Amino acid sequence: AQRVTQPEKLLSVFKGAPVELKCNYSYSGSPELFWYVQYSRQRLQLLLRHISRESIKGFTADLNKGETSFHLKKPFAQEEDSAMYYCALGPANAGGTSYGKLTFGQGTILTVHP
Amino acid sequence: DTGVSQDPRHKITKRGQNVTFRCDPISEHNRLYWYRQTLGQGPEFLTYFQNEAQLEKSRLLSDRFSAERPKGSFSTLEIQRTEQGDSAMYLCASGRTSGSTTDTQYFGPGTRLTVL
Repeated sequence: AQRVTQPEKLLSVFKGAPVELKCNYSYSGSPELFWYVQYSRQRLQLLLRHISRESIKGFTADLNKGETSFHLKKPFAQEEDSAMYYCALGPANAGGTSYGKLTFGQGTILTVHP
Repeated sequence: DTGVSQDPRHKITKRGQNVTFRCDPISEHNRLYWYRQTLGQGPEFLTYFQNEAQLEKSRLLSDRFSAERPKGSFSTLEIQRTEQGDSAMYLCASGRTSGSTTDTQYFGPGTRLTVL
């Protein structure tokens, strides 16, 4: 069975401080990992996916298959980063691109204080 | 607005009543997903369609739940004989396949169901 664990429900940092949101997963096959974000009163939206290897809004995430982790990092947090963050896992085909359902973690509420 | 839309945004019903939700995906997207989200939890997968075919259903989807996508465009999710445990946010998402792969899933605003 596939599972995504986000150990921190709440994370508070001050503006300009580094931030790391943790995500661990279990999956028997080859996974594709995503980070979704939900700002206040907005819909869930994709922040980044590991296959694209992009940095979005200063956030990066590296898939570590040995540790089965996909932690989200940003070196200098901004107040506008305050939101709910979900890590999600999807099955990947041999080419490493997801199809089908996503399994989400419980989410981490990030608060960035001024 | 060319994003995923859901209707209604809020629904309050009495236990035992039937409810139906609608989702309109992004027009060129051939995949459509339904998720349920309860307070303090991440979204949980319910079912998904590729065009009009329902390809997978979660064990969470009891016999009281049925979903359709008759023409491969909009989808409906019906819950019969609602129970208080059905109270949740119901999310719809759409995506586009390329061969056997799926593009990013784009989410709608959700329908919040309250069963009294």
